[in-house]
Amino acid sequence: TQLLEQSPQFLSIQEGENLTVYCNSSSVFSSLQWYRQEPGEGPVLLVTVVTGGEVKKLKRLTFQFGDARKDSSLHITAAQPGDTGLYLCAGARNNQGGKLIFGQGTELSVKP
Amino acid sequence: GAVVSQHPSWVICKSGTSVKIECRSLDFQATTMFWYRQFPKQSLMLMATSNEGSKATYEQGVEKDKFLINHASLTLSTLTVTSAHPEDSSFYICSARDKQTYNEQFFGPGTRLTVL
Repeated sequence: TQLLEQSPQFLSIQEGENLTVYCNSSSVFSSLQWYRQEPGEGPVLLVTVVTGGEVKKLKRLTFQFGDARKDSSLHITAAQPGDTGLYLCAGARNNQGGKLIFGQGTELSVKP
Repeated sequence: GAVVSQHPSWVICKSGTSVKIECRSLDFQATTMFWYRQFPKQSLMLMATSNEGSKATYEQGVEKDKFLINHASLTLSTLTVTSAHPEDSSFYICSARDKQTYNEQFFGPGTRLTVL
């Protein structure tokens, strides 16, 4: 059973297009992180959201945490080839010793 | 963000040998570190949680006698793959938890293990 459903798992778009990645769960998370990973490297933390309804922006990336803290989305505006990579959402729950529950990942390819 | 280093970045070994991978938090103390395994184009699979000064907690299906974890200090955890076999070939990534910042985990650059 996947506790954090991430979709889509693969996405290939043209430069300039917009896209949204979703992470959904039936569980409540105390915080949720988004990471970006390039081949052969470790994931790099993009943002952490902790408050229900919270919206954070990082240049062309907009992150939202659902009101009930069970879901989150990542929206990229005017995607560029440099955005290509594996995007991972990961949620933390209370009393879990800091363990993160990862989504399946979204492999994004932005073609010039 | 916090920096986590991992060494070596890649290793090739013969079947039957043991390989040690180090994970260090460079600018913060990490009472908890995590070890993951990742297959190509897939998400991270948690192997074990490493707590400083105590035994590691392994996820279901992970052999503790094969994947030995030692967390001897607040900045260093090691993973030893014992008697490695080709099926152990994978990308191993560690992370360190910063308790001060909402359980954020900071990841090392990963170690590519190839067992011949």
